[in-house]
Amino acid sequence: QKEVEQDPGPLSVPEGAIVSLNCTYSNSAFQYFMWYRQYSRKGPELLMYTYSSGNKEDGRFTAQVDKSSKYISLFIRDSQPSDSATYLCAVSFSGGYNKLIFGAGTRLAVHP
Amino acid sequence: ETGVTQTPRHLVMGMTNKKSLKCEQHLGHNAMYWYKQSAKKPLELMFVYSLEERVENNSVPSRFSPECPNSSHLFLHLHTLQPEDSALYLCASSQGARHGYTFGSGTRLTVV
Repeated sequence: QKEVEQDPGPLSVPEGAIVSLNCTYSNSAFQYFMWYRQYSRKGPELLMYTYSSGNKEDGRFTAQVDKSSKYISLFIRDSQPSDSATYLCAVSFSGGYNKLIFGAGTRLAVHP
Repeated sequence: ETGVTQTPRHLVMGMTNKKSLKCEQHLGHNAMYWYKQSAKKPLELMFVYSLEERVENNSVPSRFSPECPNSSHLFLHLHTLQPEDSALYLCASSQGARHGYTFGSGTRLTVV
């Protein structure tokens, strides 16, 4: 079983739609949950960061963690063509250095 | 310059060549990482350096040899690679266990 499972998509939505991206993970000891966005020919950039369960909102983006079901989500409201990218979820333990375990990434296309 | 800088951006090498990838971080972070990104696969952690000491080596073939001469620089020395080593090689840095990574833009490596 993979440590982090993520549907690779691609996901295609019209501009203005609400987008839901999801990952599941296998180890209940993970404590930190992140979403990265990766544009073509670029490295991933940190989008959202959550510790433990709950919701976190930043503008049009909401990250949600449900530790009881080992499920993490990213919601994008009022999606824009500039949101077209690959979104990667990542999890980690607490520890001396930060070892992240990534999902495979979901490719999102928002069309005008 | 700010952030994490990787050079070269693109590299084509034959299977008998020796080349090196360079990464430099200008963020004062204390950990640096090499990841391999192949199409439709999760990012694969290759090496971790924390406080200039290699703390993790994820069963990477010896044809990949990392070097961390100081906390700001990280190299990946390549020799006698195989075509399946063609991928995007990403460098990242972080500070402590509770923060996400800052990635470079990566080196697109093609082995012919």
